[in-house]
Amino acid sequence: TQLLEQSPQFLSIQEGENLTVYCNSSSVFSSLQWYRQEPGEGPVLLVTVVTGGEVKKLKRLTFQFGDARKDSSLHITAAQPGDTGLYLCAGISSGSARQLTFGSGTQLTVLP
Amino acid sequence: ETGVTQSPTHLIKTRGQQVTLRCSSQSGHNTVSWYQQALGQGPQFIFQYYREEENGRGNFPPRFSGLQFPNYSSELNVNALELDDSALYLCASSLEAGHLDNEQFFGPGTRLTVL
Repeated sequence: TQLLEQSPQFLSIQEGENLTVYCNSSSVFSSLQWYRQEPGEGPVLLVTVVTGGEVKKLKRLTFQFGDARKDSSLHITAAQPGDTGLYLCAGISSGSARQLTFGSGTQLTVLP
Repeated sequence: ETGVTQSPTHLIKTRGQQVTLRCSSQSGHNTVSWYQQALGQGPQFIFQYYREEENGRGNFPPRFSGLQFPNYSSELNVNALELDDSALYLCASSLEAGHLDNEQFFGPGTRLTVL
């Protein structure tokens, strides 16, 4: 069974601070995705990383895929209250279903 | 373009009952995946339907079953409900199963409470 562990589980910071969320696994994934989920809604895709060592930037968010394709990180610069939400990493299997294996999530709260 | 919709929004059932949840996929999408998200956890993959056939299944017992219709909408059926089945059930549609960067678009979910 492929498992993804996210840390920290909860994070509460002040507006303007930087933060990093980690996603680790003992398994190799063909690719990895990061989602953000807000209360009462389904997860929304932020990014997909495919190549080991890949770095992608989305405005103030920087995503990195580990060289061995087992881990990933999400770094937010100068966090804003609008960044508040549940951040989920999800590994994509190489099978026909391309099923997503989600981590347990990091609940981020950015205080004004 | 209509996004993924799910019904009902909320549902309360008692132990032992059966429930059917419904999902309409995004226009043009032929693949639907179902996930269970317990409170404080990430979603867990239940199964996927591609062109009306099951195309993969997670670690869920047979009392979790599904259907996909010719218009690619889908149902999730759960028999003999247990207290631990209380969760948010998410449906996600995608353009084509098996694509490397296949983006799944999630609906808002159905909140099921089993008493």
